Amino acid sequence: NAGVTQTPKFRVLKTGQSMTLLCAQDMNHEYMYWYRQDPGMGLRLIHYSVGEGTTAKGEVPDGYNVSRLKKQNFLLGLESAAPSQTSVYFCASSNSRASNYGYTFGSGTRLTVV
Amino acid sequence: AQTVTQSQPEMSVQEAETVTLSCTYDTSENNYYLFWYKQPPSRQMILVIRQEAYKQQNATENRFSVNFQKAAKSFSLKISDSQLGDTAMYFCAFMAAQKLVFGQGTRLTINP
Repeated sequence: NAGVTQTPKFRVLKTGQSMTLLCAQDMNHEYMYWYRQDPGMGLRLIHYSVGEGTTAKGEVPDGYNVSRLKKQNFLLGLESAAPSQTSVYFCASSNSRASNYGYTFGSGTRLTVV
Repeated sequence: AQTVTQSQPEMSVQEAETVTLSCTYDTSENNYYLFWYKQPPSRQMILVIRQEAYKQQNATENRFSVNFQKAAKSFSLKISDSQLGDTAMYFCAFMAAQKLVFGQGTRLTINP
């Protein structure tokens, strides 16, 4: 019963490097989300997906791209990392009854861009 | 757009005391849901309690209860008989159309 798994858990990037964060869920959830958490700002939605092959922008999408080629996976890409993208990134998933149960969250990825 | 505001960045109480965390929100939606999440130092997001906007009765889960004032758009969390394990960040969140919008968080410390 893994739930939502994020890889990697920690990463240090140099400015301008690229990377992909992987989120995998094994609950057959339709909806998947990427948030970033910064001190004093709570969690802010970057991108989300309402089903396989779909993606949509959230509150802070600039500098990020996503893909949902398989229902169980949701990838977050940084093409050219910037220090402003230093943050903790959370993936989450939900079914159509998210209003009853909320989201299932991964354990987060701490990304530092130097 | 929905916004969620938590006006208390930090709070600290003694073990066994009761503490109330404040949350206000702004929305034009009629059908929505409200949540409180706990984030301990492990970073895991844990659902504490939820409230359906169309229900007037305040939700309760063991030592955790809410005071939901729909007209005032207020959704506070009360923790009774606080325990050391309650030390964490607490986030208030609003849900409409399957998307969660979070407040800034309140860092709660329970002192022995």
